[in-house]
Amino acid sequence: QQQVKQSPQSLIVQKGGIPIINCAYENTAFDYFPWYQQFPGKGPALLIAIRPDVSEKKEGRFTISFNKSAKQFSLHIMDSQPGDSATYFCAASIDSGTYKYIFGTGTRLKVLA
Amino acid sequence: NAGVTQTPKFQVLKTGQSMTLQCAQDMNHEYMSWYRQDPGMGLRLIHYSVGAGITDQGEVPNGYNVSRSTTEDFPLRLLSAAPSQTSVYFCASRQADSSGNTIYFGEGSWLTVV
Repeated sequence: QQQVKQSPQSLIVQKGGIPIINCAYENTAFDYFPWYQQFPGKGPALLIAIRPDVSEKKEGRFTISFNKSAKQFSLHIMDSQPGDSATYFCAASIDSGTYKYIFGTGTRLKVLA
Repeated sequence: NAGVTQTPKFQVLKTGQSMTLQCAQDMNHEYMSWYRQDPGMGLRLIHYSVGAGITDQGEVPNGYNVSRSTTEDFPLRLLSAAPSQTSVYFCASRQADSSGNTIYFGEGSWLTVV
């Protein structure tokens, strides 16, 4: 119940394409869903996040779509660029006072020039 | 602003050796944690701390010890290194008052056990 399942494991798109990365969870107590972006040789960094009270959040070219009934959320990257090539992790957490973020297994994205 | 600083960046150990990965943060964050990252496994929580003097186990704690004597520092000790501990290790910190607070990661420590 604590798992966050992420797919696909890897993704290759052409420049300008719209890669979509999906995550699914079981625990309905999760109340915060961030996406982290990691470039090679670096630590992950927060990209965008959403709470269950909204169905979509957009920041620049990055959009999270959230489906509470299906317990799924996804990251869309509009007009993808070679500089977006990175590994993306979804995560989920509970505002319970404990420090428990559950991360997905990651998606390695390559955007071809 | 240095953020989360990890040392060393790279380390090669022989099986059975012990070592300490250092982590320091300058953001006065209550929460600190250690993750390991392995191909296809994502980020797995090793140990975490909700404040000085308080630590707890995460998902994969075996073979590792931690302590939190100050708010700033959270070292990770490998007691007797094994090849299965070859991984990339990330230290992270965040403020305590909401699950929505951003986790800040260090740049990672690449550990190889031969």
